[in-house]
Amino acid sequence: KQEVTQIPAALSVPEGENLVLNCSFTDSAIYNLQWFRQDPGKGLTSLLLIQSSQREQTSGRLNASLDKSSGRSTLYIAASQPGDSATYLCALGGSQGNLIFGKGTKLSVKP
Amino acid sequence: DVKVTQSSRYLVKRTGEKVFLECVQDMDHENMFWYRQDPGLGLRLIYFSYDVKMKEKGDIPEGYSVSREKKERFSLILESASTNQTSMYLCASSWGQGARAKNIQYFGAGTRLSVL
Repeated sequence: KQEVTQIPAALSVPEGENLVLNCSFTDSAIYNLQWFRQDPGKGLTSLLLIQSSQREQTSGRLNASLDKSSGRSTLYIAASQPGDSATYLCALGGSQGNLIFGKGTKLSVKP
Repeated sequence: DVKVTQSSRYLVKRTGEKVFLECVQDMDHENMFWYRQDPGLGLRLIYFSYDVKMKEKGDIPEGYSVSREKKERFSLILESASTNQTSMYLCASSWGQGARAKNIQYFGAGTRLSVL
């Protein structure tokens, strides 16, 4: 059964710092990988989607990479801002279109 | 702009009540999903649907049922609510049939359900 792990569970950084969030998974037979952002008490916002045939995707200050062979993905956030404070979730797409989620990394960016 | 709307943000019900959670999407998506989110357990899939009148069990379907009579609407039903069903419920939708696994899921804002 696919398991998704996100480390660290929480991270606090000063504003302006570049940072990396990690996601690891046990089964490399995935269809895609999505990174989401969730603000407290809110729903999920999709940030980046990487198909299984791709190595990375970029959107603004965000860059996500995928290495299926090692079972890893990273989300790189450049020049972090207080508005980036949220919980970041990694989710793997299964064959039926469902998502298998990690438990998230809670990011706090201090002014 | 994509939109997934959940009918209630907060809901308080009593044990044993029948509860309906409604989700509507305006993107003509084929696929719709219900998840619940609990501290320490993350998001878990309850049920999903590929098409009208179709439904598939997810990882934790016990105590729940679903209904999809129209393409845009997917309802989650708690037949007899229990306190262990107190949770945040999230609905999502995505495009595609043959390529359903490849597309972004769009989420609603969530319904926080408390069962007393």
